[in-house]
Amino acid sequence: EIVMTQSPVTLSVSPGERATLSCRASQSVSNLLAWYQQKPGQAPRLLIHGGTTRAAGTPARFSGSGSGTEFTLTISSLQSEDFAVYYCQFGSTFGGGSKVEIK
Amino acid sequence: QLQLQESGPGLVKPSETLSLTCTVSGDSIGSSDYYWAWIRQPPGKGLEWIGNIFHTGSTYYKPSLESRVTMSVDTSRNQVSLKLRSVTAADTAVYYCARSVDTPIERYFDFWGQGTLVTVSS
Repeated sequence: EIVMTQSPVTLSVSPGERATLSCRASQSVSNLLAWYQQKPGQAPRLLIHGGTTRAAGTPARFSGSGSGTEFTLTISSLQSEDFAVYYCQFGSTFGGGSKVEIK
Repeated sequence: QLQLQESGPGLVKPSETLSLTCTVSGDSIGSSDYYWAWIRQPPGKGLEWIGNIFHTGSTYYKPSLESRVTMSVDTSRNQVSLKLRSVTAADTAVYYCARSVDTPIERYFDFWGQGTLVTVSS
């Protein structure tokens, strides 16, 4: 089974700054990675699939990159509504999540 | 607008069977090209995929849960169901129903229900 490892566990960022989250796969997953955002008390929301394709309604400040085993989710300028937990996923496996909190 | 709504008991006794239903509106399960998934999240923890089902009844389960899980579909009611047998406290979680893009090379979950908390306790 492929293991997905996310880092950092927690990222403290000021509004307006850039946030970079990482996801590493234990073996190559090509570009078939998805990213989700989860706010407290809410269900996860699909942000990106296919490594780089934004889902409907995902703001352009969210971008995905990477292939193989190393992936990145970048939020170019953090808005107040972006403080949340972010998960990567391939196949049947989710990463452990990265929390983006206000600095 | 696609909506998914989970329902079922919020409290289940240890060793008994957890049963949940997901009612889908805004899409017809029977004519959809999508799979339907169950995913759970223990309190304060991450996401765990349980399984996927197609309207034909074709299923894929997480291997570690396969011996205790049954998923089914009722196209006439536009519902998918989950049964998890012999539950323990470790099965306490928020259970989500989600729509899944599921091809031979890619799987992701593009719409989610709000989730329902199931607590296993005597």
